[in-house]
Amino acid sequence: AQSVTQLGSHVSVSEGALVLLRCNYSSSVPPYLFWYVQYPNQGLQLLLKYTSAATLVKGINGFEAEFKKSETSFHLTKPSAHMSDAAEYFCAVSPYSGGGADGLTFGKGTHLIIQP
Amino acid sequence: NAGVTQTPKFQVLKTGQSMTLQCAQDMNHNSMYWYRQDPGMGLRLIYYSASEGTTDKGEVPNGYNVSRLNKREFSLRLESAAPSQTSVYFCASRRQQNPSTDTQYFGPGTRLTVL
Repeated sequence: AQSVTQLGSHVSVSEGALVLLRCNYSSSVPPYLFWYVQYPNQGLQLLLKYTSAATLVKGINGFEAEFKKSETSFHLTKPSAHMSDAAEYFCAVSPYSGGGADGLTFGKGTHLIIQP
Repeated sequence: NAGVTQTPKFQVLKTGQSMTLQCAQDMNHNSMYWYRQDPGMGLRLIYYSASEGTTDKGEVPNGYNVSRLNKREFSLRLESAAPSQTSVYFCASRRQQNPSTDTQYFGPGTRLTVL
């Protein structure tokens, strides 16, 4: 079984500041980890994915995430926030590379607010 | 490619009414999924289809039925809608190649309100 905890349902940062969205996971097998972004009234778009090839994963729009097995974490970061980054962000885990028969197990989401 | 499309985008039902949510993908993916999204709950899997003609229950299947009509289409049916089924419904399809590109692609969602 696996689960995901996203710390902070809302995170607010100033434009140009560091973005840090936290994700901790629980998995009984080596996990695949995902970050998805959801813009208002849209579907989910994959930001990046951890497949064990590298612990630091670079994604789209300047985001990256680091897999830390010892901390069971996969936090999402971006050095400088843009207004266009305002959205809902979901961390997800699966024992299978694409979700398999159980789908993806999602966290509850973090709403990122960018202050001008 | 249109990707994953869903119809309708919005729907309001009365308790007890039935309806079918449609989903189609043009990416030649084998696997398709239905999720529901509720505030503060993330997304939860309702049903899954590994291939044409096969379907499996997910985490929250009660009150729903599905049909994998062909490789492209995967529909979700509510036989007797209840207020607890008010939610946003997302369809997804899965690209299965090597682990680095194996991922799910999501449709834009259907916002359903049951009064």
